Amino acid sequence: QVQLVQSGPELKKPGSSVNVSCKASGGTFSNYAFSWVRQAPGQGLEWVGRIIPLNFQVTYARLFEDRVTFIADKYTSTLYMEFKNLRYEDTALYYCVRDRRTYGLDIWGQGTTLIVSS
Amino acid sequence: DIVMTQSPLSLPVTPGEPASISCRSSQSLLHTIGYNYLDWYVQKPGQSPQLLIYMSSNRASGVPDRFSGSGSGTDFTLKISRVEAEDVGIYYCMQGKYSLTFGQGTRLEIK
Repeated sequence: QVQLVQSGPELKKPGSSVNVSCKASGGTFSNYAFSWVRQAPGQGLEWVGRIIPLNFQVTYARLFEDRVTFIADKYTSTLYMEFKNLRYEDTALYYCVRDRRTYGLDIWGQGTTLIVSS
Repeated sequence: DIVMTQSPLSLPVTPGEPASISCRSSQSLLHTIGYNYLDWYVQKPGQSPQLLIYMSSNRASGVPDRFSGSGSGTDFTLKISRVEAEDVGIYYCMQGKYSLTFGQGTRLEIK
């Protein structure tokens, strides 16, 4: 069974950048798409974007497209999300998720806490 | 952008009783070949969300059959036939036809 294990919590200052990783184990990596979803404290779920490792195709939510970059390393089955020019409101739990499109977001990582604070 | 609206936002339920959550989309989620890009997820306390229902009415692997999904186009419903204590959590609908958008969430609690 595929598992997604994410990197640990991050504390960053406004204007800085963060890199969050997500390693897939126990299954085929390149055959699927992966989405990033975030959840601000006490709030709902918000889609950040999607990457398809097979062809490196990326789709970013309009809200984030000028500040986020997704990378997939097929050799280590690891995904990376770089978030630039961080703002206080980017404080959230960030999840990587296996995205099977019509079959749903079926496998979720444990989440990575990002706190943006001066 | 497609807006997803859930109701109610809070749902107190007595164990053993049924529960129902509504989800409405601002645009049709119906694909030309007949399925709907609508999923349901539950986030139990302290956990990552988990998939319950995909394509409006298909239960994900391991989901008890007391959960069912229905609807098409812009109106969808998640039903729990008999609520159990372990069902406590926040339920989200999500559309996947145009990017991904989640509803606000419905908090199910036990009376």
